[in-house]
Amino acid sequence: QKEVEQNSGPLSVPEGAIASLNCTYSDRGSQSFFWYRQYSGKSPELIMFIYSNGDKEDGRFTAQLNKASQYVSLLIRDSQPSDSATYLCAVTSTDKLIFGTGTRLQVFP
Amino acid sequence: GAVVSQHPSRVICKSGTSVKIECRSLDFQATTMFWYRQFPKQSLMLMATSNEGSKATYEQGVEKDKFLINHASLTLSTLTVTSAHPEDSSFYICSAQGAGATGYTFGSGTRLTVV
Repeated sequence: QKEVEQNSGPLSVPEGAIASLNCTYSDRGSQSFFWYRQYSGKSPELIMFIYSNGDKEDGRFTAQLNKASQYVSLLIRDSQPSDSATYLCAVTSTDKLIFGTGTRLQVFP
Repeated sequence: GAVVSQHPSRVICKSGTSVKIECRSLDFQATTMFWYRQFPKQSLMLMATSNEGSKATYEQGVEKDKFLINHASLTLSTLTVTSAHPEDSSFYICSAQGAGATGYTFGSGTRLTVV
């Protein structure tokens, strides 16, 4: 199975700071890239998706994709304690959605 | 937006019994359903993919005779864990794709505990 790699963390940032989450993937044929947020015991919820190289912004969130480097990242500006969760990177591989191991983000007041 | 209803949310069963988990797409036609399993502090692992009216395709290492998947209609898919054992205790999540929904729509998950 194709791999999606993330640093497991925890990544600790103070409230109001920028949190930067990174992800690499092995399948060069991947076309779609997703970031999900998962709270403990809950199902993942979609934050953003990106298909093209470059940046995509949605509110406090910015996704960045570099297909040549097989790298996708998520920036969270003005981090809030409520952003504390596990962030899952997911990548399509032959129509299947393959998840990374997730990065645990902790935002402290 | 697209919604997938997953039931039950929690189930406790005795070792050796079978448990059925249902996922229903409420406002779109789910042509493809993905079933995932998540152990504590681990990521979602894809178990199988099913297309409506066809047999499911299982990922390597997943026993098709133990995890029975039915996707007989465009709005309902079921996962039956047969002869469950404590090591099957996990969080099971479905995800649907289809006309009327963008991307992948996840169910709320089922926490299975086998005692």
